[in-house]
Amino acid sequence: EAQVTQNPRYLITVTGKKLTVTCSQNMNHEYMSWYRQDPGLGLRQIYYSMNVEVTDKGDVPEGYKVSRKEKRNFPLILESPSPNQTSLYFCASSGRLVLNEQFFGPGTRLTVL
Amino acid sequence: AQTVTQSQPEMSVQEAETVTLSCTYDTSESDYYLFWYKQPPSRQMILVIRQEAYKQQNATENRFSVNFQKAAKSFSLKISDSQLGDAAMYFCAYRSENGNEKLTFGTGTRLTIIP
Repeated sequence: EAQVTQNPRYLITVTGKKLTVTCSQNMNHEYMSWYRQDPGLGLRQIYYSMNVEVTDKGDVPEGYKVSRKEKRNFPLILESPSPNQTSLYFCASSGRLVLNEQFFGPGTRLTVL
Repeated sequence: AQTVTQSQPEMSVQEAETVTLSCTYDTSESDYYLFWYKQPPSRQMILVIRQEAYKQQNATENRFSVNFQKAAKSFSLKISDSQLGDAAMYFCAYRSENGNEKLTFGTGTRLTIIP
């Protein structure tokens, strides 16, 4: 089954404790992206990757890091989480065709205390 | 930068009736793509319908159709014969033809279906 998986689905942590949210897709997609969803703001892009070893900032990259060492994986790293990073996070991927649908993961609910 | 505006935070409709969700956007580009996504309580993002800006014909997917007005930069979603399973948050999204495949989302409209 074609899918994007994220782990963990739920995470409660404390300020300053480094964490990683994993994202993996099994569709051989070149493009992957991270979004955060906040009430009243919709979804906003954090980082994206056009292919292996090619990453770039989205609209709200502060406080986040990413890496793309393998085509299928695109982890999101919070080196020192803060309460304002409490949010719902989505990973998405798509192939090269112009109007290819972006497939979204199931979301990760992160709470930073 | 492109912006997407959904001016209706909440909407409700009687089951089996028709409802229209509004979306406007701002862009200086001539070629782009527009989408409607549905987010049910499960939080999964589900693509409902998409429209290429160069196509004049409005997209249709079963009970879902759009009214795309390029000059007015308007992209509304019509849901016909509303069903209980249509209850969800609906997001309008814009994607440029060039560069980053970023989706720029509106703030969403929460749709309630009244039995």
